[in-house]
Amino acid sequence: EVQLLESGGGLVQPGGSLRLSCVASGFTFSTYAMSWVRQAPGKGLEWVSAISGSGGSTHYADSVKGRFTISRDRFKNTVYLQMNSLRAEDTAVYYCARDHDSSGYPGGSLDYWGQGSLVTVSA
Amino acid sequence: DIQMTQSPSTLSVSVGDRVTITCRASQSISRWLAWYQQKPGKAPKLLIYKASTLERGVPSRFSGSGSGTEFTLTISSQQPDDFATYYCQQYNSYPWTFGQGTKVEIK
Repeated sequence: EVQLLESGGGLVQPGGSLRLSCVASGFTFSTYAMSWVRQAPGKGLEWVSAISGSGGSTHYADSVKGRFTISRDRFKNTVYLQMNSLRAEDTAVYYCARDHDSSGYPGGSLDYWGQGSLVTVSA
Repeated sequence: DIQMTQSPSTLSVSVGDRVTITCRASQSISRWLAWYQQKPGKAPKLLIYKASTLERGVPSRFSGSGSGTEFTLTISSQQPDDFATYYCQQYNSYPWTFGQGTKVEIK
């Protein structure tokens, strides 16, 4: 059974940093691209970042480029989102999601999602 | 960036109704479109990818169509479990973008 379990969320002050983790199980981790998608309270979905199965290719939304870094550890079956210079508008539930395509390249449709991790940026 | 616009934003329907949700892209995305269902407090669930391919395990009452800039999600007969918010997403080019969502509520 495919499972994605996020952790690392919490309350952080503006300008602060936080690292989210997503532990994957139930599939061959290295053959799937992974993404982070966020949802501000009461709002819609916003794609944040994607990383290829090898980790060699990464992509970001303009709103987080230069502040967030996605990475993965194949030995720990874990994908990370390092978030720096956090702003109030980064407050959201952050979901980790698996790419539907097993090629390892970020295809775009996301077939398995974690339960989400809430990040609150506030003084 | 490619803008995705869904209509309507809210839909009031009864069980058994046929439901149609439209998603328009600001430029052609070929058939690189997915549809998701989200219930309150839960993660989104993939329903359809490549505009019309039903994800495994999704009931056949859900269907998708379209290409280029105009797409449709249809529920042939609304069931109680289908009351939720639906999102389209383009993955033709980065940044991937979602529509604003369509809430399907009980009439």
